[in-house]
Amino acid sequence: DIQMTQSPSSVSASVGDRVTITCRASQGISSGLAWYQQIPGKAPKLLIYAASSLQSGVPSRFSGSGSGTDFTLTISSLRPEDFATYYCQQTNSFPRTFGQGTRVEIK
Amino acid sequence: QVQLIESGGGVVQPGRSLRLSCAASGFPFNIYTMYWVRQAPVKGLEWVALMSSDGAQKNYADSVKGRFAISRDNSKNTLFLEMNSLIIEDTAVYYCAKDGPVVGRADAFDIWGQGTMVTVSS
Repeated sequence: DIQMTQSPSSVSASVGDRVTITCRASQGISSGLAWYQQIPGKAPKLLIYAASSLQSGVPSRFSGSGSGTDFTLTISSLRPEDFATYYCQQTNSFPRTFGQGTRVEIK
Repeated sequence: QVQLIESGGGVVQPGRSLRLSCAASGFPFNIYTMYWVRQAPVKGLEWVALMSSDGAQKNYADSVKGRFAISRDNSKNTLFLEMNSLIIEDTAVYYCAKDGPVVGRADAFDIWGQGTMVTVSS
């Protein structure tokens, strides 16, 4: 199975900050990487697919990059509604493994 | 609007069975691969199973293989998860999710249900 490792596990940031989350795959996955946002008590929401494609309706302050084994999710200017947990997921092979999550907290 | 609604969760004793359902609406259910994903309390996301649009392909996580069975009824726009020989570690919120956003590309899970809670406890 492909292991997905996110860093950091949590980050404290302020409204307006730029936040970057990284995700590393244990083997190459080309551009098969998705990012999700989960607010406590809610279902995950798709933000980015195919490593860098923005899902319809998602604000442009979210962006994704990378290929192969190293990927990043960037929030260019943090807004109050962005405080949540973010997960990466590889979509290159089965099982569709997720990272352990990165919690973005209010500083 | 595009919607997935899970049902069938509850409290069940170890070793017993439970059947989850996921009712889909607002999109052509019969052309999309569908998934089950679970999340144990205060834990991360774990992919559980998938079924292709025509039901020909099924795939399971090792943790549920041989105990869980995924199925679908395209005439009723419904996805199912039959869970047998339940163990404590199966306690989780179970979500169904739709493949997307581009049909057939398997890029991501673009629509999720609200989840249904399964608690395995004696």
